[in-house]
Amino acid sequence: DAGVIQSPRHEVTEMGQEVTLRCKPISGHNSLFWYRQTMMRGLELLIYFNNNVPIDDSGMPEDRFSAKMPNASFSTLKIQPSEPRDSAVYFCASSRDNEQFFGPGTRLTVL
Amino acid sequence: GQQLNQSPQSMFIQEGEDVSMNCTSSSIFNTWLWYKQDPGEGPVLLIALYKAGELTSNGRLTAQFGITRKDSFLNISASIPSDVGIYFCAGTSYNTDKLIFGTGTRLQVFP
Repeated sequence: DAGVIQSPRHEVTEMGQEVTLRCKPISGHNSLFWYRQTMMRGLELLIYFNNNVPIDDSGMPEDRFSAKMPNASFSTLKIQPSEPRDSAVYFCASSRDNEQFFGPGTRLTVL
Repeated sequence: GQQLNQSPQSMFIQEGEDVSMNCTSSSIFNTWLWYKQDPGEGPVLLIALYKAGELTSNGRLTAQFGITRKDSFLNISASIPSDVGIYFCAGTSYNTDKLIFGTGTRLQVFP
């Protein structure tokens, strides 16, 4: 079975540009999570969805960040405009119960 | 955000040695999970624990859910070079899908 799929794996962009990260959860999983990982702050939960509905977005750093889940098999995390401090690895995870399975991550570098 | 206290922060051991790491929380959790993260990859679920006192093994790995529901440990027996990586504990409280992560234990195994 395919795991969580994320794209792109790497993204390098300039400050001010829009960045869109994509995630395809594991089929049959009803919860989807977006995380950010940095050396300084570790793994931080940004937002999570249950049955395509955003449940908790308290971890979203500011209005520049937005996430959507238009259907059960796709989600996006958008940063507009991007800033150098957004540089991090962004993970998507999905679960059917309490066991979350992570994708390979997107390494974002904002110059 | 909230994080679990995980120790030790790093370990440098000889191949063949046993390893032990633990996590503590000030609040009660109803699920404890242990993940391993290799460089450039997402965290991979190793063991999931659901009941206080539960002791679960997965090959050379053994984890326990503390009786108080506020702690968990992970043991690795007879370490091998491929055990190298960062190990994270994570837990969920009642009535939430949110995982709270530990700060990680970086394991280095020398031949």
